[in-house]
Amino acid sequence: GENVEQHPSTLSVQEGDSAVIKCTYSDSASNYFPWYKQELGKRPQLIIDIRSNVGEKKDQRIAVTLNKTAKHFSLHITETQPEDSAVYFCAATTNKNTGNQFYFGTGTSLTVIP
Amino acid sequence: ETGVTQSPTHLIKTRGQQVTLRCSSQSGHNTVSWYQQALGQGPQFIFQYYREEENGRGNFPPRFSGLQFPNYSSELNVNALELDDSALYLCASSLYSSETQYFGPGTRLLVL
Repeated sequence: GENVEQHPSTLSVQEGDSAVIKCTYSDSASNYFPWYKQELGKRPQLIIDIRSNVGEKKDQRIAVTLNKTAKHFSLHITETQPEDSAVYFCAATTNKNTGNQFYFGTGTSLTVIP
Repeated sequence: ETGVTQSPTHLIKTRGQQVTLRCSSQSGHNTVSWYQQALGQGPQFIFQYYREEENGRGNFPPRFSGLQFPNYSSELNVNALELDDSALYLCASSLYSSETQYFGPGTRLLVL
């Protein structure tokens, strides 16, 4: 089955700096890659997603890049702010004949230092 | 537009008991997926229901079962509870089975 690895597990940056989180996946059939932000005690919230027919997507300070050949995708947050502090999860979705499969990374705890 | 809701918010059970968790999908969504999130880990996919049929299952034993109703709300049932079942159980709804998922607030289950 699919295996999603996420790095780093923790990340601290100064306010205003950029943060990059990387994920790799193993199943070439995976075709949808969302990123979620989860604050302590709250539900995961979608922040950006990308499909396999697109190489890059940007939404204000957040961007995601996908390299299908290398099977990796990355989240980029620019001009970080203290409210960006949270745990971020990447995920990969695979559509099989038996239905869908969703695989999450282990999370990156991002701390933005004011 | 109503978001995803789950009940109950918290639950305490003892080993061997059975539990039923409930999820109401976001208005207009016909697909519900269930996840188990242990402390400090990412969500683990349990299964997905699309138009009342199971549409994909993760690596969970048969004692984890589910239902989806005609109004697209869903239940997760866990039989013969084990201590390791203690976790946050999240449901997520989407417009179709492969579309963007929106999570509910979760049910925190503690098995003693």
